[in-house]
Amino acid sequence: DIQMTQSPSSLSASVGDRVTITCRATQNISNYLNWYQQTQGTAPKILIYAASSLQNGVPSRFSGSGSGTDFTLTISSLQPEDFATYYCQQSYSIPSTFGGGTRVEI
Amino acid sequence: QVQLQESGPGLVKPSETLSLTCSVSGFSISTGRYWGWIRQPPGKGLEWIGNIYYSGSAYYNPSLKGRVTMSVDTSKNQFSLKLTSVTAADTAVYYCVRRDAADGTSFHWFDPWGQGTLVTVSS
Repeated sequence: DIQMTQSPSSLSASVGDRVTITCRATQNISNYLNWYQQTQGTAPKILIYAASSLQNGVPSRFSGSGSGTDFTLTISSLQPEDFATYYCQQSYSIPSTFGGGTRVEI
Repeated sequence: QVQLQESGPGLVKPSETLSLTCSVSGFSISTGRYWGWIRQPPGKGLEWIGNIYYSGSAYYNPSLKGRVTMSVDTSKNQFSLKLTSVTAADTAVYYCVRRDAADGTSFHWFDPWGQGTLVTVSS
């Protein structure tokens, strides 16, 4: 199985901050990497697919980059509704696997 | 707008079978796409359980060691999950999902998700 490691596991930030979350795969997954946002008590929601493609309706302050084994999710200016947990997921091979999550706190 | 809704018992006894159904609205399962299940133990991360196509072709997470079966009922626009021989480790929120894809590519992701249903394994 491909293991996905996110860092940091949690971070504290303020409204307006630029936030960067990283995700590393244990083998080359090209750009088969997705990012999800999960707010407390709700289901995850897709933000970015194919490493850098913004899902319809997702604010442009979210962006993704990377290829191979190293990927980044960036929030350019953190908004109050962005305080949540973020997960990366590889769709390169079965079983699909998720990172452990990064909790973004105030 | 595509919506998914999980249903099933919230409490299952150890060694018994967990059974859940996902009802889909706003999209016909027969149109295509893979459909699947993902679970999240309380306070923990996400685990992919498996996917099934409307034709019934399915693939599962090997970590579940053959305990998983999925099925599709196109007449009811539903798909289902069965997990046998459950233990406390199977206690989780179970989400049903559609596997969406970028046309003409092999890129895919999970969207939308059902609201999730908590299944507790306990005697």
